[in-house]
Amino acid sequence: GAVVSQHPSRVICKSGTSVKIECRSLDFQATTMFWYRQFPKQSLMLMATSNEGSKATYEQGVEKDKFLINHASLTLSTLTVTSAHPEDSSFYICSARGTGPYEQYFGPGTRLTVT
Amino acid sequence: QKEVEQDPGPLSVPEGAIVSLNCTYSNSAFQYFMWYRQYSRKGPELLMYTYSSGNKEDGRFTAQVDKSSKYISLFIRDSQPSDSATYLCAMASGNTPLVFGKGTRLSVIA
Repeated sequence: GAVVSQHPSRVICKSGTSVKIECRSLDFQATTMFWYRQFPKQSLMLMATSNEGSKATYEQGVEKDKFLINHASLTLSTLTVTSAHPEDSSFYICSARGTGPYEQYFGPGTRLTVT
Repeated sequence: QKEVEQDPGPLSVPEGAIVSLNCTYSNSAFQYFMWYRQYSRKGPELLMYTYSSGNKEDGRFTAQVDKSSKYISLFIRDSQPSDSATYLCAMASGNTPLVFGKGTRLSVIA
């Protein structure tokens, strides 16, 4: 399958700081990228959908000013958690979609801990 | 009623057993059906995908879709300890975001 990378894999930051997570599709062009959040032993919660060059579409209840998404190219999307708080601690996973609805591949995830 | 229902388990089977994982759904517009495997603290890995109804086989894995019953299954033959993971079903209609089940935690005991 196609490869999606995510960086960093783990980050610890202090409350009030901002953290940027990068998501790259390495061997295909991603027309659409998705950002998910996952709590322990829970399923994936879709946060937002972004298309290259367009503003992201956020799911209900997700603060767009807190979770800034930039989809600068067909291979790169970034998620910035601004003014992070301990309740933002979670596992964040990006996903990239190619040309078909079933061609959706996930990155390895980023574990964010806010102290 | 949730769009996609999946028994969270946990499901524990002996090595070599046939495993059956299932999901039901309510949205008749779903056309694309996927199964993902997720190991602990890792991103989901696409195992199989199916369009519309029918069966698809890949090695030890078989995916089945019954649209008339709104029921999908993943069978794992000759299960191995390395198959121990959480299995997530996912489905979509057209280019809409995937809708995931909650995932079933599977343990294959050696």
